Amino acid sequence: GENVEQHPSTLSVQEGDSAVIKCTYSDSASNYFPWYKQELGKRPQLIIDIRSNVGEKKDQRIAVTLNKTAKHFSLHITETQPEDSAVYFCAELAGGGSNYKLTFGKGTLLTVNP
Amino acid sequence: GAGVSQTPSNKVTEKGKYVELRCDPISGHTALYWYRQSLGQGPEFLIYFQGTGAADDSGLPNDRFFAVRPEGSVSTLKIQRTERGDSAMYLCASSGYLGTEAFFGQGTRLTVV
Repeated sequence: GENVEQHPSTLSVQEGDSAVIKCTYSDSASNYFPWYKQELGKRPQLIIDIRSNVGEKKDQRIAVTLNKTAKHFSLHITETQPEDSAVYFCAELAGGGSNYKLTFGKGTLLTVNP
Repeated sequence: GAGVSQTPSNKVTEKGKYVELRCDPISGHTALYWYRQSLGQGPEFLIYFQGTGAADDSGLPNDRFFAVRPEGSVSTLKIQRTERGDSAMYLCASSGYLGTEAFFGQGTRLTVV
């Protein structure tokens, strides 16, 4: 079944440092892995996603890597800024036929200290 | 509308009452999800619609919870005999068919007193 584990649950970094958040999944049929950022009191918003036929994707300071063999994917944020402070969620899309669902990790609270 | 719309934004109800939460997805999105999020936690899957049918309702916690999407667009999450433990943020998300970005509504904060 679908299960996503996310680590760490909290992460504190100094401004300018890099931050890495890791997720593992169990369903080998999973084929889409989005990352969401949720600021306090706001809705989750997609920041980057990766599909199973790609190993890495970058968008400015954000990158995601996927290792299908090991069933894990990671979010990398470089040159962190205070506005990066938020809760980040990984997710996987898994299922079959017409029955797919998006399952989320428990989240990582990232704090970027000025 | 341009985004996913949820109403009401806040709902306070007494224990034992019935509530309905509404989600209006992005036009043309066939997939619709309901999640429940408690403070400091990730979104917890409740139910997923593909078109009008509930493709997966395995996340509904018990038979007090029910959701419909009769015309494949607007969905209503219904909670009977509410309990204090039902208090949470209820989020709705919609996406195009399979593996495309899911957009969230702003949520309905339900408080059962």
